[in-house]
Amino acid sequence: QSALTQPPSASGSLGQSVTISCTGTSSDVGNYNSVSWYQQHPGRSPKLMIYEVTRRPSGVPDRFSGSKSGNTASLTVSGLQAEDEANYYCSSYAGGNHVVFGGGTKLTVL
Amino acid sequence: LQLQESGPGLVKPSETLSLTCTVSGGSISSNNYFWGWIRQPPGKGLEWIGNIYYSGRTYYNPSLKSRVTMSVDTSKNQFSLNLNSVTATDTAVYYCASVHSYNYYMDVWGKGTTVTVSS
Repeated sequence: QSALTQPPSASGSLGQSVTISCTGTSSDVGNYNSVSWYQQHPGRSPKLMIYEVTRRPSGVPDRFSGSKSGNTASLTVSGLQAEDEANYYCSSYAGGNHVVFGGGTKLTVL
Repeated sequence: LQLQESGPGLVKPSETLSLTCTVSGGSISSNNYFWGWIRQPPGKGLEWIGNIYYSGRTYYNPSLKSRVTMSVDTSKNQFSLNLNSVTATDTAVYYCASVHSYNYYMDVWGKGTTVTVSS
């Protein structure tokens, strides 16, 4: 299994929106609605932000949304706030009870 | 639900890395969860190591499968990771997490423990 592909970096201004992509294959992202997204601030553990492609855990602001088209999933952060600056990782079920992560995207809020 | 990793912070090359994750606030014998290990080398991304079910069924990352063993102790509400023949490339922060058994998302993470492989 290969890592999912994410852009190394993304940026947006305060209040704007930014979308981070996560590209896999027909064996993982394209075949299962089991894509999740994690936010990680420096020195902290990852935090679940989106699961099952579009669902938000309790307590996650609705500024965070997820979607998927074919083999590519996306995380959109609307109304960017300073605290959204972090690393974001996607993950997908890859069959056979295996999980694969993306390489991560560093989001900078300008 | 809370998870806490424990184990040595320094391991010598060629030896075995051993970590334990203690689950509190819930039962490890839940049908809804696997229990997973994930690592993050310094300055790099997350890597899934493997998952274990309370029954002892295990699933490992193919790239690490030959060196990984996971186990579970339901009486102590703990699960463990052994990684043998370690090298410097195994230096990382190691996290344990609860993995939802239907859609494989990790909803609760431990704080992580840093393991350095060095003589």
